Amino acid sequence: GENVEQHPSTLSVQEGDSAVIKCTYSDSASNYFPWYKQELGKGPQLIIDIRSNVGEKKDQRIAVTLNKTAKHFSLHITETQPEDSAVYFCAAVNNDMRFGAGTRLTVKP
Amino acid sequence: DAGVIQSPRHEVTEMGQEVTLRCKPISGHDYLFWYRQTMMRGLELLIYFNNNVPIDDSGMPEDRFSAKMPNASFSTLKIQPSEPRDSAVYFCASSFPDLPGYTFGSGTRLTVV
Repeated sequence: GENVEQHPSTLSVQEGDSAVIKCTYSDSASNYFPWYKQELGKGPQLIIDIRSNVGEKKDQRIAVTLNKTAKHFSLHITETQPEDSAVYFCAAVNNDMRFGAGTRLTVKP
Repeated sequence: DAGVIQSPRHEVTEMGQEVTLRCKPISGHDYLFWYRQTMMRGLELLIYFNNNVPIDDSGMPEDRFSAKMPNASFSTLKIQPSEPRDSAVYFCASSFPDLPGYTFGSGTRLTVV
């Protein structure tokens, strides 16, 4: 089955800096790669996604890149703000969704 | 739409008791998923349904766990008997088949003492 690895497990940045989270996946049949943000006491919320026929997607301060050959994808957050602090999960989807272990992002004001 | 609704939000039970977690998916979503989240193992897929039919239950940890979806608007996850190691946050999620972004509920925090 699919195995998703996510790095780093924790990330601390200064407000205004950029944050990058990286994931790799094992199943070449996976064709959809969402990113979720989970705040304390809440369920994960979809923030951006990318399909396998696209190399990059951007939504305001958030962007995701995908390298299908290398089977890795990344989340980029620019101009970070304290409210970006949360746990971020990457995932890969073939028939079902498998998650990475999560990255705890802390943005210091 | 109110989103995916889970109940209860918190459940504390004694070891050996039966626990039932409930989920109401978003209307029109054909897929329903149950996940378990712990610090040690992260988000684990337990089982998922398509059009009320269980498709893959390979993530269900033991026979003590069972899940049903009697209709398109309701699903249950049952643990009988419960054990302390079942303590976790259990999430339900639903999605359309052609829009695979899942919508998660707020979760049920289960504590077995």
